[in-house]
Amino acid sequence: QKEVEQDPGPLSVPEGAIVSLNCTYSNSAFQYFMWYRQYSRKGPELLMYTYSSGNKEDGRFTAQVDKSSKYISLFIRDSQPSDSATYLCAMKTSYDKVIFGPGTSLSVIP
Amino acid sequence: EADIYQTPRYLVIGTGKKITLECSQTMGHDKMYWYQQDPGMELHLIHYSYGVNSTEKGDLSSESTVSRIRTEHFPLTLESARPSHTSQYLCASTAGDTQYFGPGTRLTVL
Repeated sequence: QKEVEQDPGPLSVPEGAIVSLNCTYSNSAFQYFMWYRQYSRKGPELLMYTYSSGNKEDGRFTAQVDKSSKYISLFIRDSQPSDSATYLCAMKTSYDKVIFGPGTSLSVIP
Repeated sequence: EADIYQTPRYLVIGTGKKITLECSQTMGHDKMYWYQQDPGMELHLIHYSYGVNSTEKGDLSSESTVSRIRTEHFPLTLESARPSHTSQYLCASTAGDTQYFGPGTRLTVL
């Protein structure tokens, strides 16, 4: 079993839809949780970062962490065609390397 | 926005050639990483460094080597390129718990 699992997609939604992207993990020692966005042929860029259970909001993006269920989510409200990308969840313990999920490919159709 | 650079962005080369992929960052970060990413697949850590003269192999076996003579520079070398090395190579550096990625080098070995 991989340490971090993520629905691979591809996910296709109409513009304006609410998108939910999810990851599960097995290592209860993970304390830091991140979401990266990767456009085609580019390096990943950090979108959201959190280290506690609960919700963190930044504009149209909300990151949710449920440590008891070992489950994290990224919600995108009012999705735009420019949100079309691959979204990678990532997490780490306090001292170890970052572990990335395989990514979910998202297409927002105008 | 992070200042991390990779050259070349694209490289097509014949089997058996020696190649060096360059990575540099101007942020003074001690920790740097090399990842390999095939299309639609997850990131695999192949090398990392926690500072000058420190290099370690990552989770994915790789025939490449790295060096860290200066804080800002972390080149990756393949002594004899093979078609199985065709992939995207991403360099990253870390500030705190956050990784910042370069744009990547897309390598094709014929």
